[in-house]
Amino acid sequence: GAGVSQSPSNKVTEKGKDVELRCDPISGHTALYWYRQRLGQGLEFLIYFQGNSAPDKSGLPSDRFSAERTGESVSTLTIQRTQQEDSAVYLCASSQRGEGEQFFGPGTRLTVL
Amino acid sequence: AQSVTQLDSHVSVSEGTPVLLRCNYSSSYSPSLFWYVQHPNKGLQLLLKYTSAATLVKGINGFEAEFKKSETSFHLTKPSAHMSDAAEYFCVVSRPAGNNRKLIWGLGTSLAVNP
Repeated sequence: GAGVSQSPSNKVTEKGKDVELRCDPISGHTALYWYRQRLGQGLEFLIYFQGNSAPDKSGLPSDRFSAERTGESVSTLTIQRTQQEDSAVYLCASSQRGEGEQFFGPGTRLTVL
Repeated sequence: AQSVTQLDSHVSVSEGTPVLLRCNYSSSYSPSLFWYVQHPNKGLQLLLKYTSAATLVKGINGFEAEFKKSETSFHLTKPSAHMSDAAEYFCVVSRPAGNNRKLIWGLGTSLAVNP
């Protein structure tokens, strides 16, 4: 079966531009997570969606970051006015409701010049 | 508050020797604990998980971990390292947040396997 997919796999942008990252979770997984992983660092939680509940946005580092999810399908993470410190790999994961095991996508490597 | 500490940022072993990657957690309730592995240029993969069943958990690729509540530890071990085990390993603890569930990630341990 298909796993979690993310696009694009790589994104290079100029400082100040907006970027949009996409995540397609595993079909039937109600929970979806976004993480940021800077070079040589662990995962930094950004946002969590669970079904129709209000998303947990407690990890978003600034108001330049936002995310949306349509029902229990695709999610997009948007970064406005990108800064060089936004350069990182952005990982998406999905899981079944009430189960902690997460399945990860390959990530999007974002480079802000 | 929940937290997880990986005691070594880097571990180096020789092929064929045992592997020990240490993890301590802090939790105000009975947590679920996980180990994930990240190979270079590959996605994160679940190695094993503990969810209050048997305290000795066996995972993929010959890895196992033992949940020790008295020591608040969940160390990852393997009897004999293989070159393909070289990767980044993350210890993770889960916590509920309202009606949601969120994972708390350690900073990772980089495992190098020398021939």
